[in-house]
Amino acid sequence: GQQLNQSPQSMFIQEGEDVSMNCTSSSIFNTWLWYKQEPGEGPVLLIALYKAGELTSNGRLTAQFGITRKDSFLNISASIPSDVGIYFCAGQRNNNDMRFGAGTRLTVKP
Amino acid sequence: DGGITQSPKYLFRKEGQNVTLSCEQNLNHDAMYWYRQDPGQGLRLIYYSQIVNDFQKGDIAEGYSVSREKKESFPLTVTSAQKNPTAFYLCASRGRLNYGYTFGSGTRLTVV
Repeated sequence: GQQLNQSPQSMFIQEGEDVSMNCTSSSIFNTWLWYKQEPGEGPVLLIALYKAGELTSNGRLTAQFGITRKDSFLNISASIPSDVGIYFCAGQRNNNDMRFGAGTRLTVKP
Repeated sequence: DGGITQSPKYLFRKEGQNVTLSCEQNLNHDAMYWYRQDPGQGLRLIYYSQIVNDFQKGDIAEGYSVSREKKESFPLTVTSAQKNPTAFYLCASRGRLNYGYTFGSGTRLTVV
């Protein structure tokens, strides 16, 4: 299936630092989504983006849908220890065709 | 509260045995999905169902089977034909107007 390239694979940061991760694809998607997964749990939806160029915030999280519709980024500002987890991007072409990146594992040192 | 329940949380099976993973939702969602997650990889789609008594193969359906006899339930059977069944399995559902999926908390299957 179509792969999404998500980077970086992992990040080790100090509490209070800002974080940026991104996702690229060779194909166009109609929707981009960002999920967070904590150990032993299922992913939880953080932000959904529906329109090219859209910039959306959810608290300290900000995500953008790239103009080309082939990429998206997620920023987390002023990280805190509970931000720890794996963040996944997902691109969706239609209701039943959602592709996931391999994830960015975030570690926050207090 | 509405949600998706996967059971059991952990499952151990001997090689060569079939095993069925349960997924139940009370969200009144039409569509349900099964994904497989391996370390360092994105989620890969096994099967999905848009409506009762109908289901479609995903990218890695070989060695798996599903049924959708009720709207609330979408069990996954991992058969002995699946070459590498040890993985974390995630069930998800989607409402008619939703783009994002709601995920269960997963079942970790270990085959020894």
